[in-house]
Amino acid sequence: NAGVMQNPRHLVRRRGQEARLRCSPMKGHSHVYWYRQLPEEGLKFMVYLQKENIIDESGMPKERFSAEFPKEGPSILRIQQVVRGDSAAYFCASSPPLVGNSYEQYFGPGTRLTVT
Amino acid sequence: QKEVEQNSGPLSVPEGAIASLNCTYSDRGSQSFFWYRQYSGKSPELIMFIYSNGDKEDGRFTAQLNKASQYVSLLIRDSQPSDSATYLCASGGGRRALTFGSGTRLQVQP
Repeated sequence: NAGVMQNPRHLVRRRGQEARLRCSPMKGHSHVYWYRQLPEEGLKFMVYLQKENIIDESGMPKERFSAEFPKEGPSILRIQQVVRGDSAAYFCASSPPLVGNSYEQYFGPGTRLTVT
Repeated sequence: QKEVEQNSGPLSVPEGAIASLNCTYSDRGSQSFFWYRQYSGKSPELIMFIYSNGDKEDGRFTAQLNKASQYVSLLIRDSQPSDSATYLCASGGGRRALTFGSGTRLQVQP
């Protein structure tokens, strides 16, 4: 049973370029979350999506960042015109459909973005 | 501001001892609590979750929740050097987004 998949695992971009991070949830999971972990800091929530819907984007920076989870294919986190401060590990997590209070989130291996 | 607080450590325990990791949270609306283990350079791995007051045991791990005191803890019995990692406490509410603490670094000395 494959876990959460993310690619690429490592991504290097020059300032001003675009970064696209992809996430495929675990089989049977319909909820996807993106988190960012800056060096030596904790995980910060960015956005929560279901298929074709953004449910909660309260943690997303207002500019340059966007996310989608199309009907077919992986979820995409897109960062336009990257800056050095965007260098971080970006983790995707998925959870199964809600059953009571149960919504454990399982993390993918992450994409480590380096902006030069 | 919803916060989850953890002592950053490092918490150092000898092999075979019990490691006790603690976490407090500020949002009384939090309903669910999670413990993740994160090795350096790796992704968080879910090891325990708890929704009700009291204790929940799974192998060498016991999670404890006290909603009145807004306190969550994780006990690791018979600690092994392979348990050395950063342990992240997280809380969740109706929004489903998790709020993470900054983590406690555990070192198990052989």
